[in-house]
Amino acid sequence: AQSVTQLGSHVSVSEGALVLLRCNYSSSVPPYLFWYVQYPNQGLQLLLKYTTGATLVKGINGFEAEFKKSETSFHLTKPSAHMSDAAEYFCAVVGTGFQKLVFGTGTRLLVSP
Amino acid sequence: DAGVIQSPRHEVTEMGQEVTLRCKPISGHNSLFWYRQTMMRGLELLIYFNNNVPIDDSGMPEDRFSAKMPNASFSTLKIQPSEPRDSAVYFCASSSRDGNEKLFFGSGTQLSVL
Repeated sequence: AQSVTQLGSHVSVSEGALVLLRCNYSSSVPPYLFWYVQYPNQGLQLLLKYTTGATLVKGINGFEAEFKKSETSFHLTKPSAHMSDAAEYFCAVVGTGFQKLVFGTGTRLLVSP
Repeated sequence: DAGVIQSPRHEVTEMGQEVTLRCKPISGHNSLFWYRQTMMRGLELLIYFNNNVPIDDSGMPEDRFSAKMPNASFSTLKIQPSEPRDSAVYFCASSSRDGNEKLFFGSGTQLSVL
């Protein structure tokens, strides 16, 4: 069965600082990996996803993530945080084939001026 | 496209009452998912449908919960009888194929059972 672990329920950064949100996965098959963002009182929106091919994936709003098989990681980064990035971020995994998407517990990103 | 539409946006009910949550997926999407979000458990998949057929309902908490998808454009999640521990935000999501594809989420239904 697939699972993801997000380290840190809260991450605080200053505006303009690097954003790093950590995600490690467990999967017995080559995984598909996702990052979703949830703004207050809204549903989740896809930021980016990795399926196959290039291990560095670029998403919306300047975010990117790198798939590292040797480390079973898929950390999300953004070079410079913006106030509008404050939200909750979820890492998710699904195995190849028709299987259900499994979400991590989420990391709340706080951005201070 | 209007996106995934859920109703009601908020529901407050008393313990023991029946609650019905509704979802209209994006037209053309053939997979539909019901999730529950709470502070304690995070985001849990309750059930998902593919081509209107329930594929996996192992996340449904107990027999008080039931879900139907009578056609490609409508699904319901019913709780009968409701209990205070059912209080949560319930999200519906749809995708064009399966969990490997991008999920589009509705805005959720905030359920409070008193």
